Amino acid sequence: DQQVKQNSPSLSVQEGRISILNCDYTNSMFDYFLWYKKYPAEGPTFLISISSIKDKNEDGRFTVFLNKSAKHLSLHIVPSQPGDSAVYFCAARVYGGSQGNLIFGKGTKLSVKP
Amino acid sequence: DAGITQSPRHKVTETGTPVTLRCHQTENHRYMYWYRQDPGHGLRLIHYSYGVKDTDKGEVSDGYSVSRSKTEDFLLTLESATSSQTSVYFCAINTKQGGANTGELFFGEGSRLTVL
Repeated sequence: DQQVKQNSPSLSVQEGRISILNCDYTNSMFDYFLWYKKYPAEGPTFLISISSIKDKNEDGRFTVFLNKSAKHLSLHIVPSQPGDSAVYFCAARVYGGSQGNLIFGKGTKLSVKP
Repeated sequence: DAGITQSPRHKVTETGTPVTLRCHQTENHRYMYWYRQDPGHGLRLIHYSYGVKDTDKGEVSDGYSVSRSKTEDFLLTLESATSSQTSVYFCAINTKQGGANTGELFFGEGSRLTVL
């Protein structure tokens, strides 16, 4: 049973436009949600996170929105750049679980075209 | 910046042979993790450690064992490799403790294992 779902395997966006990556979850005990970016042949790198008590967190071009009632979060990238082309993973941590045990979605491959 | 070294980075082996992957960190962080990444599955937790000789199972632990005899090293062993264990394996560490811990993990560059 998938607790973190990324239903779009891929997304293509024009450079300069907004990229919106979506993630749904089922477990109400998640206390933090995170986004990771992964380039081929490299390890995932942390991008941005949000606490379950917040509804928005912003860091430069990246903003994460959390809608707890819908159990949905999204990552907005504005403006999108070709260097943003990567696989993006949504992840969530269970409150009270082992420090840092994360459950990941399957990922969304973002392609930003010049 | 946290330093993680995974070895080997690439390995090809045959079904039934034992394989050990090593994760080495340079900063004595307490929590270490092994994940595997497969197409269509994202990243899945295999085992994790919360201190020397303290380990626990993750979501996909069958067929894997781990050991942590020193803070800096976390070993993942496939006792008898199978083709289903062909994957990319990532080690990760948690660099923040207590109230500063927001779940953020720092990942190594991965070890690509092919079991023929």
